[in-house]
Amino acid sequence: DAGVTQSPTHLIKTRGQQVTLRCSPISGHKSVSWYQQVLGQGPQFIFQYYEKEERGRGNFPDRFSARQFPNYSSELNVNALLLGDSALYLCASSWEGLRRSYNEQFFGPGTRLTVL
Amino acid sequence: AQTVTQSQPEMSVQEAETVTLSCTYDTSENNYYLFWYKQPPSRQMILVIRQEAYKQQNATENRFSVNFQKAAKSFSLKISDSQLGDTAMYFCAFMKHGTGTASKLTFGTGTRLQVTL
Repeated sequence: DAGVTQSPTHLIKTRGQQVTLRCSPISGHKSVSWYQQVLGQGPQFIFQYYEKEERGRGNFPDRFSARQFPNYSSELNVNALLLGDSALYLCASSWEGLRRSYNEQFFGPGTRLTVL
Repeated sequence: AQTVTQSQPEMSVQEAETVTLSCTYDTSENNYYLFWYKQPPSRQMILVIRQEAYKQQNATENRFSVNFQKAAKSFSLKISDSQLGDTAMYFCAFMKHGTGTASKLTFGTGTRLQVTL
């Protein structure tokens, strides 16, 4: 079975530009979460989407936005890029039943964004 | 807000030996999960082991086991019979338990483990 996929693998942008990152969850998973991992740090939570609705948002500026599509894939958009946005962006999918006790998050390989 | 602290930036262990990675956390929650994730070089993050806070018994997965001390808010990972394939960044992570809330993982800064011959 295919795992979580992300595209593109690598991306180079300049300051002020906009970027869109894409994620396809594992088949059957209805939730997608986004994390930012700056070099030398642990991942930081950006968003979670479940059934196309935003379920949670981390401490990130409004330049960061996301959405989830009817097929549960997701896009992360970042506007007005800053040098500090350079990072590995990770997507994770999970099943998330109604009676959630624990739903393991499965991570994709990430998109490496470099802002020059 | 929750915080997770990993005080060992780097560790090294010889093949077949045992190593323990440390993690402490801070939370006011009573119901939560703790995790150890492994991120090999240029490869994706995978779950190593999980612990539910309400369980007193320490979790074990083959060569990996944890020492969970809830009162001390400590959660260490022991890797027995270390293998070259264990070389990776290891992240300790926290997730609050609850229905209808975000499944948000809070990570520590990681420990880089090098297994040597």
